[in-house]
Amino acid sequence: DSGVTQTPKHLITATGQRVTLRCSPRSGDLSVYWYQQSLDQGLQFLIQYYNGEERAKGNILERFSAQQFPDLHSELNLSSLELGDSALYFCASSSDGDRGCEQYFGPGTRLTVT
Amino acid sequence: AQKITQTQPGMFVQEKEAVTLDCTYDTSDQSYGLFWYKQPSSGEMIFLIYQGSYDEQNATEGRYSLNFQKARKSANLVISASQLGDSAMYFCAMREGLVCGATNKLIFGTGTLLAVQP
Repeated sequence: DSGVTQTPKHLITATGQRVTLRCSPRSGDLSVYWYQQSLDQGLQFLIQYYNGEERAKGNILERFSAQQFPDLHSELNLSSLELGDSALYFCASSSDGDRGCEQYFGPGTRLTVT
Repeated sequence: AQKITQTQPGMFVQEKEAVTLDCTYDTSDQSYGLFWYKQPSSGEMIFLIYQGSYDEQNATEGRYSLNFQKARKSANLVISASQLGDSAMYFCAMREGLVCGATNKLIFGTGTLLAVQP
């Protein structure tokens, strides 16, 4: 158990809909990251937050947005969903105190868009 | 641009034997970190080992060791005494920069699927 929690574990929704994925980082970790894992794109970095502020952005679509709240939990919002958005979405967190700033991943949310 | 290459889509190894999973990387930065993650069939991503670009010794974590050859830009994972539970997908990843708190995004390779045979 990495200490990172994600809800829900599975999500099935229709095209055009909007969903929210939730992540709670390890206790004390200020950085939260979101990644998307799909068969055709592999593991792709989406966005990073550090103590409530956006720190880095990857190939995140404009239909996707994220935020980190004062209690450090984060949400990833996906809107106008398309079939191609079906993927495993991971949240990860890291601590500045860890030597390598290694990222610890949550169990993921498997999103299926039908 | 950063790139991670894992050329072995799949590997077989006999239980109790050692196995090396290959990883090469490309970066123009002098400071970077290299990571290996394990993804079992259940789907979670498990951090295994880290190597900093200025570390003089190869990293080791239990049965895992990282064979770091900076001049060749390779960071191979060695698993000793393979166990059935080692069967999983293994990903090599890189982060540019060594300073925590900066942009820490990871770039991943395509992974190697390891099957440990009894």
